[in-house]
Amino acid sequence: NAGVTQTPKFRVLKTGQSMTLLCAQDMNHEYMYWYRQDPGMGLRLIHYSVGEGTTAKGEVPDGYNVSRLKKQNFLLGLESAAPSQTSVYFCASNPGGGSNQPQHFGDGTRLSIL
Amino acid sequence: GENVEQHPSTLSVQEGDSAVIKCTYSDSASNYFPWYKQELGKGPQLIIDIRSNVGEKKDQRIAVTLNKTAKHFSLHITETQPEDSAVYFCAASKASSASKIIFGSGTRLSIRP
Repeated sequence: NAGVTQTPKFRVLKTGQSMTLLCAQDMNHEYMYWYRQDPGMGLRLIHYSVGEGTTAKGEVPDGYNVSRLKKQNFLLGLESAAPSQTSVYFCASNPGGGSNQPQHFGDGTRLSIL
Repeated sequence: GENVEQHPSTLSVQEGDSAVIKCTYSDSASNYFPWYKQELGKGPQLIIDIRSNVGEKKDQRIAVTLNKTAKHFSLHITETQPEDSAVYFCAASKASSASKIIFGSGTRLSIRP
């Protein structure tokens, strides 16, 4: 049982480049989330999805796009990377039916923008 | 806006002693309070949670207490061991909104041998 898997684990980009981060979960969870983690700021929600084909903005959505074409996958895209997007990105999933369920996190993608 | 304040940001305790981390939440409608442990290079993992109809919950060396009136909750780790060294996050959420899972800023716990 893999849980939540994030790809890639590390990436270095140049300013202006684009890339997609992939999150896959094998727990049949309805809800999926993308967070960024910066020193001293905890986890901030970028975008989330409450089901296949749905997405919504979180606390810090600017500069990112997402897609949930399949229930098990949640993609995070950076169209034109900026140094301010250097961070560790975590994907999480949740069974759904309200937020009173624990989040299941992946091990993160460490992204550096030069 | 809604937020969760977590203190202290860093904590160093002697092995075998107890550690306490405290969180305060602002949204009185919050009714679920999980705690996560994040080890180096890993994602946060749930270690214990408590719901608003319970004042205290224990799981071996870990306990969580909740004071709804004061809107604060605490994590207690007794008989600390080296493997307890990690970053701990508290969170608060309510069932009415899928996105309203608010995390504290984290506490880096170090256990001195």
